[in-house]
Amino acid sequence: KQEVTQIPAALSVPEGENLVLNCSFTDSAIYNLQWFRQDPGKGLTSLLLIQSSQREQTSGRLNASLDKSSGRSTLYIAASQPGDSATYLCADKAAGNKLTFGGGTRVLVKP
Amino acid sequence: NAGVTQTPKFRVLKTGQSMTLLCAQDMNHEYMYWYRQDPGMGLRLIHYSVGEGTTAKGEVPDGYNVSRLKKQNFLLGLESAAPSQTSVYFCASSYSLGTRGEKLFFGSGTQLSVL
Repeated sequence: KQEVTQIPAALSVPEGENLVLNCSFTDSAIYNLQWFRQDPGKGLTSLLLIQSSQREQTSGRLNASLDKSSGRSTLYIAASQPGDSATYLCADKAAGNKLTFGGGTRVLVKP
Repeated sequence: NAGVTQTPKFRVLKTGQSMTLLCAQDMNHEYMYWYRQDPGMGLRLIHYSVGEGTTAKGEVPDGYNVSRLKKQNFLLGLESAAPSQTSVYFCASSYSLGTRGEKLFFGSGTQLSVL
């Protein structure tokens, strides 16, 4: 059974510092990996989707990398801002055609 | 742009009561999903549908039923609510990128408490 882990569960950084969020998965035979943002009391918003054949995806200040051989994905957020405070979740799609979510990392960016 | 709309947003039930959660999407997506989110457990898939008239079980289907009579709607029913079903429920929909996967769009959630 695929397991997806995100460590740490919570992270606090000063404004302007780069954020590095980790996601690890046990089954390397994934089709893709997706990063989401969740604000308190809200649903999830898809940030980036990396296909299994890709190494990384970029969108503005966000960059996500994928290393299937080591079972890891990393989300980088450059020059963090207080508006980046949220919970970030990763999810992979493997056999069975369904997503498996990590528990999320709660991020606080202090002004 | 409504996207994915869930109703109601909050609900309190007594043990044994029944209720239906409604999810509606206006993006003409084929796939729809119901998840529950619990502290320390992440999001877990309850049921999903790959098209109108089809449904399938997810990871935690017991105690729930679903129906997809119209492409834009996906209903989640609790026939006899239990305290263990206290959770935040999310509906999601997606278009398919084929084997390359799907980008999911989520509703804002329904907070359900069963006393």
